[in-house]
Amino acid sequence: ILNVEQSPQSLHVQEGDSTNFTCSFPSSNFYALHWYRWETAKSPEALFVMTLNGDEKKKGRISATLNTKEGYSYLYIKGSQPEDSATYLCAFTGFQKLVFGTGTRLLVSP
Amino acid sequence: DTGVSQDPRHKITKRGQNVTFRCDPISEHNRLYWYRQTLGQGPEFLTYFQNEAQLEKSRLLSDRFSAERPKGSFSTLEIQRTEQGDSAMYLCASSLQAPWWFYNEQFFGPGTRLTVL
Repeated sequence: ILNVEQSPQSLHVQEGDSTNFTCSFPSSNFYALHWYRWETAKSPEALFVMTLNGDEKKKGRISATLNTKEGYSYLYIKGSQPEDSATYLCAFTGFQKLVFGTGTRLLVSP
Repeated sequence: DTGVSQDPRHKITKRGQNVTFRCDPISEHNRLYWYRQTLGQGPEFLTYFQNEAQLEKSRLLSDRFSAERPKGSFSTLEIQRTEQGDSAMYLCASSLQAPWWFYNEQFFGPGTRLTVL
């Protein structure tokens, strides 16, 4: 059974703070690790797809790293803004389907 | 808008009633997925189609659930004799087919939130 874990479950930060989340996943039979941002009443939006050990990806103020040997990925947000408030989901590609973690709910206060 | 769309966005029903949801994928995508998210959990896989063929069903998909994709385009998910435990967000996603050894990026719709009273 594939198990993907995310921490923390929720986070409340002030505007301008930098923050990071963790995703742990099975290190065997790895295909890809996905990060999604899911804002209320909207579709989950893909942030990154990461496939190689040591991968680092960046999109604006958001970046992610991947360690497939030990089975974890970090998502970093630099200088959080209120519009970053959302649930951040990671998902492990498990043979044609995504296996999601429970998500980290981020609230950024002005 | 050429993204994945779902209808309705919200559905409130009484226990024992049947409900049907619709998903329209991105037009050139031949794969379509259904996921369910319950409170406090991440989305969980229910089933997926390649064109009109349903290739995999999760154990979560009880006999009361049925999904179809008759022409390989839109899909419907029907729940018969709804129970309170069926209350959840039902997400649809679509993708292009990928080799077994590679990932396929999935694009999600906004979901249908079902509340069973």
